[in-house]
Amino acid sequence: EVQLVESGGGLVQPGRSLKLSCLASGFTFSNYGMNWIRQAPGKGLEWVASISSSSSYIYYADTVKGRFTISRDNAKNTLYLQMTSLRSEDTALYYCARWARYTMGIRNPLDYWGQGVMVTVSS
Amino acid sequence: DVQMTQSPYNLAASPGESVSINCKASKSISKYLAWYQQKPGKANKLLIYDGSTLQSGIPSRFSGSGSGTDFTLTIRSLEPEDFGLYYCQQHNEYPWTFGGGTKLELK
Repeated sequence: EVQLVESGGGLVQPGRSLKLSCLASGFTFSNYGMNWIRQAPGKGLEWVASISSSSSYIYYADTVKGRFTISRDNAKNTLYLQMTSLRSEDTALYYCARWARYTMGIRNPLDYWGQGVMVTVSS
Repeated sequence: DVQMTQSPYNLAASPGESVSINCKASKSISKYLAWYQQKPGKANKLLIYDGSTLQSGIPSRFSGSGSGTDFTLTIRSLEPEDFGLYYCQQHNEYPWTFGGGTKLELK
């Protein structure tokens, strides 16, 4: 059974940093690209970042580019999101999601999601 | 960025009924449209991808149609477990973008 479990969230002051983790199980993690998606309270879904299986390709939303870093450790089956210079608008539930492998390239959906971890940026 | 506009925002229906949710892209995304179901306390679930391909394990009462800019998710013979939030997402180009969501409620 595919499982994605996020951790590392919490309350943090504006301008500070936080690192999220997503522990994957039930599949060969090193074969799949991974993603972070977020959802502000009462709002819709916003894609944050993607990373390919070998970390060769990395993409960011403009809203986080230069502040957030996506990375992965395939030996530990873990995806990360290092968040710096946090702002109140970064307050959201952060999901990790697996990039499906139905076709070559980027045009694949997100076939499994974690339940999310809450990040609150407030003084 | 590709803007995704979902309608309706809210939808009330009864079990056994059929409903449709629409998603419009601001420019052509070919067939690359996915639909997800979101329910409290559960992981988001992929229902449909590539506009009309049913994800493995999803009941056949769910179907998707459309291409280019206009897409529709149809749920036939609603079951009690189908009530929740639905989102469309274009997976054609970065940045990936989502519709604003449709809340399917019990009438």
